[in-house]
Amino acid sequence: GAVVSQHPSRVICKSGTSVKIECRSLDFQATTMFWYRQFPKQSLMLMATSNEGSKATYEQGVEKDKFLINHASLTLSTLTVTSAHPEDSSFYICSARALSGMNTEAFFGQGTRLTVV
Amino acid sequence: RKEVEQDPGPFNVPEGATVAFNCTYSNSASQSFFWYRQDCRKEPKLLMSVYSSGNEDGRFTAQLNRASQYISLLIRDSKLSDSATYLCVVNKGRGDMRFGAGTRLTVKP
Repeated sequence: GAVVSQHPSRVICKSGTSVKIECRSLDFQATTMFWYRQFPKQSLMLMATSNEGSKATYEQGVEKDKFLINHASLTLSTLTVTSAHPEDSSFYICSARALSGMNTEAFFGQGTRLTVV
Repeated sequence: RKEVEQDPGPFNVPEGATVAFNCTYSNSASQSFFWYRQDCRKEPKLLMSVYSSGNEDGRFTAQLNRASQYISLLIRDSKLSDSATYLCVVNKGRGDMRFGAGTRLTVKP
């Protein structure tokens, strides 16, 4: 299957700092990337949909000024958690859909475990 | 009502058992359906797509009932390595995937 690389896989940061997470599609072009968050023992929750060259669409309850998403190219989307707080500690995963095919599966990055101390 | 609902389990079964998971979805316009498997602290990985005609992959059988908005996954002859969380996933269109909360399965010797 297609490869999506997410970096870093694990990060610990101090409260109040910002953290950037990268999501790259390595062998296909992704017009759309999705960012999810997963708290322990809970489901993946969609945070936002990122379209190349345009503003991201955020789900209800997700602060767009706190979770900055940039999708500057067909192979890279970034999520920046600004002024992180301990409650932002979670598992963040991106997924990407290939350029062609409306109903193709989504390919996931490896996930980033963020711990804010 | 959640967009995708699953019984969270846990299901604890002995090796060799047959186990079935169910899932319902709320959006009748949903376009495609999948079962993903997620191991602890790992990303979800596609197990199989689900088609209206039903499909089988080895010990795994998936069924879709569009009229009832219901999806199922059957695992026969359970192995220890099948222990994981199984996620019912619905594609609303354009790759917008919505996940169920997952059903945790533990297969014991």
